[in-house]
Amino acid sequence: EAQVTQNPRYLITVTGKKLTVTCSQNMNHEYMSWYRQDPGLGLRQIYYSMNVEVTDKGDVPEGYKVSRKEKRNFPLILESPSPNQTSLYFCASSLGRPRKGFYSYNEQFFGPGTRLTVL
Amino acid sequence: GENVEQHPSTLSVQEGDSAVIKCTYSDSASNYFPWYKQELGKGPQLIIDIRSNVGEKKDQRIAVTLNKTAKHFSLHITETQPEDSAVYFCAASKTGNQFYFGTGTSLTVIP
Repeated sequence: EAQVTQNPRYLITVTGKKLTVTCSQNMNHEYMSWYRQDPGLGLRQIYYSMNVEVTDKGDVPEGYKVSRKEKRNFPLILESPSPNQTSLYFCASSLGRPRKGFYSYNEQFFGPGTRLTVL
Repeated sequence: GENVEQHPSTLSVQEGDSAVIKCTYSDSASNYFPWYKQELGKGPQLIIDIRSNVGEKKDQRIAVTLNKTAKHFSLHITETQPEDSAVYFCAASKTGNQFYFGTGTSLTVIP
């Protein structure tokens, strides 16, 4: 089954304790992205990656790191989490480049989300 | 950067009626406008999208219209059903890499 998986789905941690949220896709997509969703603010893009070893900042990258060592994985790293990073996080992936026969090469497939609480 | 505004934040309609959600964007260079549906406890799912070279696109009961001059686009759902109840997000992108989302509309379809 084609899907984007995230782990963990729920995490409660304390301020300053480094954590990693993993994201993996099995669709051979080139593009992957991380978003955070907060009430009243919608989804905001944190980082995105066009391909292996290529990452760029989104709208709200402060306090986050990412890496793209393999095409299928795109982990989100919080080196020193703070309470304002309490949020619902989504990973997404897409084809990324126009391909013959694919109108919506930009269609993003989202993971199920990771609810993070930082105390 | 881009600023996407979405209205209304909540919308209740009777089953069978139509629902319209509107978004405006600020960057005239934006050229791709997807709409996502998010059901409770799940990630957003693309329901329809439109590129700036067309003014309207329809897929069964769902349609999207785009007015580039006014920089706004709208989602139209006809003959609404209870399973249409969800949160809907509009988004805009000019590069296909960076996406800016609206704040969401919670749609409730009353049976």
